[in-house]
Amino acid sequence: GAGVSQSPRYKVAKRGQDVALRCDPISGHVSLFWYQQALGQGPEFLTYFQNEAQLDKSGLPSDRFFAERPEGSVSTLKIQRTQQEDSAVYLCASRTEREGRYYNEQFFGPGTRLTVL
Amino acid sequence: GDSVTQMEGPVTLSEEAFLTINCTYTATGYPSLFWYVQYPGEGLQLLLKATKADDKGSNKGFEATYRKETTSFHLEKGSVQVSDSAVYFCALSVMTGANSKLTFGKGITLSVRP
Repeated sequence: GAGVSQSPRYKVAKRGQDVALRCDPISGHVSLFWYQQALGQGPEFLTYFQNEAQLDKSGLPSDRFFAERPEGSVSTLKIQRTQQEDSAVYLCASRTEREGRYYNEQFFGPGTRLTVL
Repeated sequence: GDSVTQMEGPVTLSEEAFLTINCTYTATGYPSLFWYVQYPGEGLQLLLKATKADDKGSNKGFEATYRKETTSFHLEKGSVQVSDSAVYFCALSVMTGANSKLTFGKGITLSVRP
């Protein structure tokens, strides 16, 4: 079946531009996570959704970062007034729930590589 | 806070060599432990996991045992192949309600030469 998809795969932005990154989770997955992976580093948690509710946004580095999941499926990560330090790969992951139980395995998308010039 | 420490890389091995990649962790609660792998040009894939002390996760010839007493989850494989060349990440998650956000180590690049 289809996995997690992300678009665009690559994005180049000029400093100060706004960008929007899209994540399509696996169909039916309740939970969705965003991570930021800087070059040569491990992914770092940004935010977590359960259905349409954003339950944890403790990892968002500044108020320029905003995420939404209005219908509980597709999610968008928006970065306003991009800075060079925002250059990274942005990963989306989704997780299933069965019979009220959350499984802790997350399935990752291929990521969006953002380069801010 | 939670953290994961991986041994420094990169690691280069000859085919059929034995592999050990060290991973230690600190956690505020009782974590589940994971190894993720990222093959060139691909996304992160779960390699194996363990959810409680003394559990052994295994997959594709790789193994790791959850050692609570040493807070470690070292990855091993008896005989590596060229196709194992990838970046390996150790990670943990502590369930807080339904939130199972992952905390990753820095990753280590493994290159296996024929």
